[in-house]
Order: sequence, then C-alpha cells, then structure tokens
Amino acid sequence: AQSVAQPEDQVNVAEGNPLTVKCTYSVSGNPYLFWYVQYPNRGLQFLLKYITGDNLVKGSYGFEAEFNKSQTSFHLKKPSALVSDSALYFCAVREQERAGNMLTFGGGTRLMVKP
Amino acid sequence: GAGVSQSPRYKVAKRGQDVALRCDPISGHVSLFWYQQALGQGPEFLTYFQNEAQLDKSGLPSDRFFAERPEGSVSTLKIQRTQQEDSAVYLCASSQRGSNPYNEQFFGPGTRLTVL
Repeated sequence: AQSVAQPEDQVNVAEGNPLTVKCTYSVSGNPYLFWYVQYPNRGLQFLLKYITGDNLVKGSYGFEAEFNKSQTSFHLKKPSALVSDSALYFCAVREQERAGNMLTFGGGTRLMVKP
Repeated sequence: GAGVSQSPRYKVAKRGQDVALRCDPISGHVSLFWYQQALGQGPEFLTYFQNEAQLDKSGLPSDRFFAERPEGSVSTLKIQRTQQEDSAVYLCASSQRGSNPYNEQFFGPGTRLTVL
C-alpha cells in the first residue's frame, strides 16, 4: 500500500524567511510525487510534481521540492516566504507500477506566514 | 469554463435523504476522479473513470455510494440514505488527455455536504 506522512500539522515562518514543509512517503515501487495547495473554500491547486530525472523540482509561485530516494522524502521549499503563501499544503504520491491512477494524500500542513 | 466545476457548492441533507453531486471536468479530460475530504484531513480516493468506464471504485465506503459518467464527460456522485458520517467535502478532479498516471489532476472547488 502507498502512504504519505506530513509530520507537522502547522508550520510558522516570518515573511521573507525560507520555508520548508516536510513530506515522507511509502510505496512498493517507484513514486510519482505531487504537491498541492488549498486556499479556504477552494479546491486543491497543483504546485509541482516529481516524475523522474533531476531531484530538484521547480514549480509555481517560486516553490520547489527535493526528491530524496534514500530518505523517501519530498520536502517543499521556498527561499523567501510571502504572507500570501499562507494556506494548507498537501503532499501526494502515486506508485508508478501500480494499476489505477488515484493519488494518496498526506494529512496536510497549514503554513502560516507572518508579516 | 477553464476549470473543473462542481455543483452544488453546499448541500445540507437530513439523515436518510439521497443526494446527488455533480462534476463538470475540464473539456477533453479523459480521466475523472472523486475524493472525499473530511474536516482537517487530506482527500481520500473514492472512484476513478476513464471516459465513461469506471475503472476503480475501491474507495467507495459503502454500497450507498454510487458514481456514474454515462457520456464520458459530466459525472454524478450519488449518496443514498445519507448518514452523519458522510458529512465531508467531496472533491472532483480531472486530468489531461490520455491516461498517463503522472499527469497532474486539476481539482474543482468541492461540494461541502452536511448531514443533520
């Protein structure tokens, strides 16, 4: 079975500081990994994905994530946080070799960026 | 429209009532997914369509849940005899042409169902 863990319910950071939102995953084979952001009363919005190749993936709004196979992690990062980045962030995984296309999501991490 | 749309956005039902939730995917998207998101949790997979074929319904929690996509476009999620534990946000997502599993899914705003 595939699973995702987001160990922090909430991350607090000051505007202008770097941010990291942690994600670890578990799959039997090779993973496809995704990050989504959710603003209040809105659906999930795609940020970035890892498929293969370069371990550092760049996405929307200045976000990036680093795939680490040995640590089974896919942490989301941004060099300089904005107040408008405050939202709920979800990491998701799909096993490449598994039939069916559904994503398995983590429980989410609330990011609070304070001015 | 440019994105996935869902209706109604909010639904209040009395316990025991039947409800129907609608999803309009992005035009031309082959794959369509339904997820259930309980309060304070991440979305959980319910079912998946490729065109009109329901290829995976392993996430449907009971036989009270039924989904269809008869013409390969609009989909309806039906919940019969609603229970309080069905209260959640129901998210619909679609993904690009073809069934490549690494295509990102585009989500609608969700339908918030409250069962009294």
